[in-house]
Amino acid sequence: EIVLTQSPVILSSAPGERATLSCRASQSVSSTYLAWYQQKAGQAPRLLMYSASSRAAGVPDRFSGSGSGTDFTLTISRLEPEDFAVYYCQQYGGSPPFTFGPGTKVDIK
Amino acid sequence: EVQLLESGGGLVQPGGSLRLSCAASGFTFRSFTNYAMSWVRQAPGKGLEWVSGISGSGSKIHYADSVKGRFTISRDNSKNTLYLQMNSLRAEDTAVYYCANGPGHDYWGQGTLVTVSS
Repeated sequence: EIVLTQSPVILSSAPGERATLSCRASQSVSSTYLAWYQQKAGQAPRLLMYSASSRAAGVPDRFSGSGSGTDFTLTISRLEPEDFAVYYCQQYGGSPPFTFGPGTKVDIK
Repeated sequence: EVQLLESGGGLVQPGGSLRLSCAASGFTFRSFTNYAMSWVRQAPGKGLEWVSGISGSGSKIHYADSVKGRFTISRDNSKNTLYLQMNSLRAEDTAVYYCANGPGHDYWGQGTLVTVSS
């Protein structure tokens, strides 16, 4: 089973700042099968990025993804008030289980 | 617009059973049969856990180790519906259960709460 680790656990930032979230895998993951999700309280998750760097439909271009192998990054170039949420990475390549990371909470400083 | 609507959650005693359903609608360019589907759960205050997945035809099925042997995923493509039969439920199965397409989940239901408690 591929274990995903996300850091930091909590990122305290102010609107307008840049946010960088990390997702590290216990073994190499094909970038084709690495996704990022945003979840707000009381809501279902929302797909932000797939294939590590492709934005899902309707996702603003302030969100970008990068990485390969075992290290992946989600960057929010300028935080908007609606971006304060929990972010999860997920790998879905190879054999199941298709594991999620434990999440990074982005909250307002 | 694709919509996924879960139902079947509720309060059940440890050792009991529940069957969740997920009704899918709005698949226009590709039929429901073309979509692999998954169940993902979230315990109160915790993160996301992938539970089970099934291919579009239903021929390929996978489970997380935490539910293997107790949960059964299935689908009825004639009804555009996904199911999760949950047996031998434990307190640690308490969670909101989401259905979603994929993996690589761009469509999610609103979730249904399953509470396992005496």
